[in-house]
Amino acid sequence: TQLLEQSPQFLSIQEGENLTVYCNSSSVFSSLQWYRQEPGEGPVLLVTVVTGGEVKKLKRLTFQFGDARKDSSLHITAAQPGDTGLYLCAGLSTDSWGKFQFGAGTQVVVTP
Amino acid sequence: EPEVTQTPSHQVTQMGQEVILRCVPISNHLYFYWYRQILGQKVEFLVSFYNNEISEKSEIFDDQFSVERPDGSNFTLKIRSTKLEDSAMYFCASSKAQALGYEQYFGPGTRLTVT
Repeated sequence: TQLLEQSPQFLSIQEGENLTVYCNSSSVFSSLQWYRQEPGEGPVLLVTVVTGGEVKKLKRLTFQFGDARKDSSLHITAAQPGDTGLYLCAGLSTDSWGKFQFGAGTQVVVTP
Repeated sequence: EPEVTQTPSHQVTQMGQEVILRCVPISNHLYFYWYRQILGQKVEFLVSFYNNEISEKSEIFDDQFSVERPDGSNFTLKIRSTKLEDSAMYFCASSKAQALGYEQYFGPGTRLTVT
């Protein structure tokens, strides 16, 4: 089983600040997805990264896939209260096409 | 925008009873999945399904679990004899393909409570 470690577990910031959350593994992944999950709801897909070193932007969110495809980061610029949520990374292992391995998530709270 | 739907949103059952959780995947998707999330824990893969067959399953998906696509739209997860530890959120997901960079889309989940 390829483990994905997310850090920090919890992050509380003021509106307007920047934040970065990390997703790390000792294993290589074919691709990696970031989701946001609200309490009692399903994960909502934000982005998929595939190529080592790839950077994708989604408005104020910047996602990066590590060169070795073992890690990823999510950076939020000028966070807003609407960014509050549980951010999950999920990696697709190199020996499986169907099974995404999830991290435990980073709970982000943005206060006005 | 097309989305995965799941019913019921909440199911309460007694230990030992059978439950069927239902999902309607996105209409042009061909691959279907079940995941579960025990309260406070990670989302865990259970099973993937394609062309009316299980293509992959985890060690959690034992003989008590089964999946079926009974018609052209529904995808179900059956737990034959529920245990207390089966209490969790169950998420259905679907994807159009399984090629590099493909994306899985999740439903809102069914909260299963076993008493």
